[in-house]
Amino acid sequence: DTGVSQDPRHKITKRGQNVTFRCDPISEHNRLYWYRQTLGQGPEFLTYFQNEAQLEKSRLLSDRFSAERPKGSFSTLEIQRTEQGDSAMYLCASSLKGAGDTQYFGPGTRLTVL
Amino acid sequence: QKEVEQNSGPLSVPEGAIASLNCTYSDRGSQSFFWYRQYSGKSPELIMFIYSNGDKEDGRFTAQLNKASQYVSLLIRDSQPSDSATYLCAVNERGSNYKLTFGKGTLLTVNP
Repeated sequence: DTGVSQDPRHKITKRGQNVTFRCDPISEHNRLYWYRQTLGQGPEFLTYFQNEAQLEKSRLLSDRFSAERPKGSFSTLEIQRTEQGDSAMYLCASSLKGAGDTQYFGPGTRLTVL
Repeated sequence: QKEVEQNSGPLSVPEGAIASLNCTYSDRGSQSFFWYRQYSGKSPELIMFIYSNGDKEDGRFTAQLNKASQYVSLLIRDSQPSDSATYLCAVNERGSNYKLTFGKGTLLTVNP
């Protein structure tokens, strides 16, 4: 299967700890997105990469959040000094520019902050 | 603030019936519209996309778009219990072909 993959699938951490999530997009996709989803809500856009360039960050993304896509392939999302309000499903999606930009989602990383 | 509105449901239909899911959006400049299905605890799965006014059919699914009314819908024919899930409507923002705004989703239950 060559879909979007994310690691880990689940993460439980204590408040104040740092966590890092990884996303591997569909291999030929040059656009990569991070979303956050909480219970009963639709996914909310966090940030977007085209190749290795981070082109937009949502106002939802505080300074504790940082994302990278160093070689235009996989991406990481780091949350520093986690808070209980960070508990959510973190979703990665990828798309191919020029092919309708249809976004395909990975399985997500469920974060629980205790 | 761009908004996408969906009835939260639950929408309950008997097996074999047509399920109709509706979505309205506020950004008149939106160009791309997507329907995703999300099973409980899983990630969204693309069902259909539509760009032009009118109907688009794919198997048991039909997406309908009316840009003048800022309305998009998804019809599921011959509903099956396996269709029971939350259906998310997503709309791109004006001037952006990448940032999607999602509705909260409609929970569909298909009863055997």
